[in-house]
Amino acid sequence: QVQLVQSGAEVKEPGASVKVSCKASGYTFTSSAVHWVRQAPGQRLEWMGWINGDNGNTKYSQKFQGRVTITRDTSASTAYMELSSLRSEDTAVYYCARSSGNNGYEPFDYWGQGTLVTVSS
Amino acid sequence: DIVMTQSPDSLAVSLGERATVNCKSSSSVLYSSNNKNYLAWYQQKPGQPPKLLIYWASTRESGVPDRFSGSGSGTDFTLTISTLQAEDVAVYYCQQYYNTPRTFGQGTKLEIK
Repeated sequence: QVQLVQSGAEVKEPGASVKVSCKASGYTFTSSAVHWVRQAPGQRLEWMGWINGDNGNTKYSQKFQGRVTITRDTSASTAYMELSSLRSEDTAVYYCARSSGNNGYEPFDYWGQGTLVTVSS
Repeated sequence: DIVMTQSPDSLAVSLGERATVNCKSSSSVLYSSNNKNYLAWYQQKPGQPPKLLIYWASTRESGVPDRFSGSGSGTDFTLTISTLQAEDVAVYYCQQYYNTPRTFGQGTKLEIK
């Protein structure tokens, strides 16, 4: 069965960076895209960007452009999301989610369990 | 960006009754080349990630009970739960995947009356 397993909770100081991993299993990693979505307390889900599992091409939300980097390691079937210059407003649960195709224009059919990132001094 | 607006923000329905959640997009999510609406519905229970219920506006995801249905086209969409069960208590989100950035509605909290 398809599973996305994310790395554990992080506590970071303002200005630092965080890197969250998302290990996929149960499907061919290179056949699907991986998206990153965050959910701040009491806020709606917010899409950050996605990576093509096959060619590694990425697309980011303008809101996070310059601060977010999404990468993948096909040998480990793992996607990564790194967010830099953290501020308190970045405190949120970060999810990875799969879309079944590699063009990115598909619904998110499987989600990771979420990683809580807390930004605090 | 396409803004997704749901109504109502919260909803209380009696067990066995019908629940209806609406979603309006600020521009059309219907792609004319394939006549598909790039609109999905998700269910999120406390402490869990969202779960895909409906995609292409009206296609039920495998394993989702048939009491869940989606309808609408263009800019106006509806999620209907025909007979509410206790396990349907959750927050429901619509999402467009028509363009970048993908955007979600603010969520509708469904409770039992």
